[in-house]
Amino acid sequence: GAGVSQTPSNKVTEKGKYVELRCDPISGHTALYWYRQSLGQGPEFLIYFQGTGAADDSGLPNDRFFAVRPEGSVSTLKIQRTERGDSAVYLCASSPTRTIGEQFFGPGTRLTVL
Amino acid sequence: GENVEQHPSTLSVQEGDSAVIKCTYSDSASNYFPWYKQELGKRPQLIIDIRSNVGEKKDQRIAVTLNKTAKHFSLHITETQPEDSAVYFCAASSYNNNDMRFGAGTRLTVKP
Repeated sequence: GAGVSQTPSNKVTEKGKYVELRCDPISGHTALYWYRQSLGQGPEFLIYFQGTGAADDSGLPNDRFFAVRPEGSVSTLKIQRTERGDSAVYLCASSPTRTIGEQFFGPGTRLTVL
Repeated sequence: GENVEQHPSTLSVQEGDSAVIKCTYSDSASNYFPWYKQELGKRPQLIIDIRSNVGEKKDQRIAVTLNKTAKHFSLHITETQPEDSAVYFCAASSYNNNDMRFGAGTRLTVKP
């Protein structure tokens, strides 16, 4: 079956602009995660959804970052007033159960803020 | 919150040798410990995981050991092959807390 997909694969933007990154999880997966991965680092947790609600957003670095999952499937990560330090690969992952277990990652969106 | 440290950051072995990567964690409530493999430019993929009710788990050439008292867990790859070359990440989480924390990664190179 289809895996987790993310669009766009690459996004180049200018400092101060607004960007939206999209994640399509595996069909039927209730849990959805967003991570940020900088070069040479492990994925850094941003936010976790169980269904439509953000169950844990403790990893969002500041209020410029926001994510939604209005119908419990597709999720959008929104970044306002982008800064050069936001440049990274943004990974989405989904999981079929409420309890912690294997997460299936998407290919990521490489965000570059000039 | 949870803090995961991973060592070494790079590891080079000869084909056929074993490779060991070690991780420590800080939160005693953590009870789920996966290992992910990430090849260059690709997404992380789960290779093995262990839950806190067991001390060791094996899957062919890959094994993971867990010491809950010392709060550390290790990945063991035997009979390494060039296709094992990748970055390996450990992670820790708890059933009650889904924010999984990853280590910084180990770049494994297997020389033919």
